[in-house]
Amino acid sequence: QQKVQQSPESLIVPEGGMASLNCTSSDRNVDYFWWYRQHSGKSPKMLMSIFSNGEKEEGRFTVHLNKASLHTSLHIRDSQPSDSALYLCAGVNNNAPRFGAGTKLTVKP
Amino acid sequence: ETAVFQTPNYHVTQVGNEVSFNCKQTLGHDTMYWYKQDSKKLLKIMFSYNNKQLIVNETVPRRFSPQSSDKAHLNLRIKSVEPEDSAVYLCASSPWTGGNTGQLYFGEGSKLTVL
Repeated sequence: QQKVQQSPESLIVPEGGMASLNCTSSDRNVDYFWWYRQHSGKSPKMLMSIFSNGEKEEGRFTVHLNKASLHTSLHIRDSQPSDSALYLCAGVNNNAPRFGAGTKLTVKP
Repeated sequence: ETAVFQTPNYHVTQVGNEVSFNCKQTLGHDTMYWYKQDSKKLLKIMFSYNNKQLIVNETVPRRFSPQSSDKAHLNLRIKSVEPEDSAVYLCASSPWTGGNTGQLYFGEGSKLTVL
């Protein structure tokens, strides 16, 4: 079964709105997390990484991590139609990045 | 800018045939991976090599075998393909920093269709 669980499976937000995506690992040995974005027909590209507890902000994107619960979340403010994509969370354990099933985000103009 | 190159990008074949996918990275990274992305977009790690040494070998059917000639090349061979092998195979590379794997850089993918 998947060790990295993502929710929701899909999400629709209006342009300018806030999108919140969640990710939890059941593998207690996960060291850190990555968030990747995959546009339709393209390969995944790194969006953000987070290694320690707390919050990290880069432009419109904010990532939170709670290491005790192995939960991370990605928040996109002022969402744009170009943000429409599949968002993949990866937990890295022993140098093997394992991905969740993803959240499909659609931003409606 | 693509720095992880995969060939072929598409391949259609019949059940039972052999297929090979090639991957080359020009980023100078030490670690390379093969992932399988199915029709539901689930991305599963298959193999990982660090400096030509196999470090991750997930539970995959025996008909899959990775081959690494040097740290810049990692190929994937599938002997006797099955319909469930239809997927996009993604090659990736990453730097090795302080014993931890760095960010993954993916190739454009090799889409396999098994008839």
